[in-house]
Amino acid sequence: NAGVTQTPKFQVLKTGQSMTLQCAQDMNHEYMSWYRQDPGMGLRLIHYSVGAGITDQGEVPNGYNVSRSTTEDFPLRLLSAAPSQTSVYFCASQLLSGDTGELFFGEGSRLTVL
Amino acid sequence: SQQGEEDPQALSIQEGENATMNCSYKTSINNLQWYRQNSGRGLVHLILIRSNEREKHSGRLRVTLDTSKKSSSLLITASRAADTASYFCATDYNNDMRFGAGTRLTVKP
Repeated sequence: NAGVTQTPKFQVLKTGQSMTLQCAQDMNHEYMSWYRQDPGMGLRLIHYSVGAGITDQGEVPNGYNVSRSTTEDFPLRLLSAAPSQTSVYFCASQLLSGDTGELFFGEGSRLTVL
Repeated sequence: SQQGEEDPQALSIQEGENATMNCSYKTSINNLQWYRQNSGRGLVHLILIRSNEREKHSGRLRVTLDTSKKSSSLLITASRAADTASYFCATDYNNDMRFGAGTRLTVKP
C-alpha cells in the first residue's frame, strides 16, 4: 500500500494563479481531510469529507474548494492564490469504521505564493 | 481557532529522562489523540484516548485525560535521542479534528 500520496511536493505560484493539490489514498478510507501548517500555529483544518459526494468546511475554508467524486481522491483547489496561502499543506485519511481513530498523513505539499 | 493548546511550547531534556507534555482544549470531544512529527515530514499517530477513558498506555507512552478540566498529558518515559520531534494533541468531535500548535521536544544524547 502506498498510503496517502500528495502531489506536488513543492509548488511556487504567482498571486492570482490557480492550482490543484492532489491527494490520493489506497486504503479505502471513508474520511479525508486537508490541513495547512504554518509556523507556530500547528495544523488548521481546511475541508474534510466523510465519503464520496460529501464535503464539509473546517476552520479555515476561505479561498479553497474541494470535491470528493471517488473514495480514493480528494483534491484541494486554490482558486486565486494569495501570499497568505503560503504554507505546507497536509492531506490525511481515516477509516471511520475502525477502532483506532488514527489519521494517516501524506508527506505534505509546500506551497509558496509570490 | 485551534482547539488544543500544548504546553510547554518547547522542552529540552537529557536522554533517559522522562518528558511530559500537556494539552488543554475548549469544547466537547469524542476522543483526543497525540501525534508526532519529525522535521519536514507528515504526522504519525501515537495514541488515542476516548472521552470516557482516564488513562492509556502504549509502550513508553502514557496518556491521561481529564474531561472536567479539559486537559490531557503525554508522558514519554526513558526518552531517547530518536524521540526528538514535535508532538501535537488533536481533539476529535464528530469527525472535525483540530490540532494544537505542538510541543517541540529535544532529547540530548
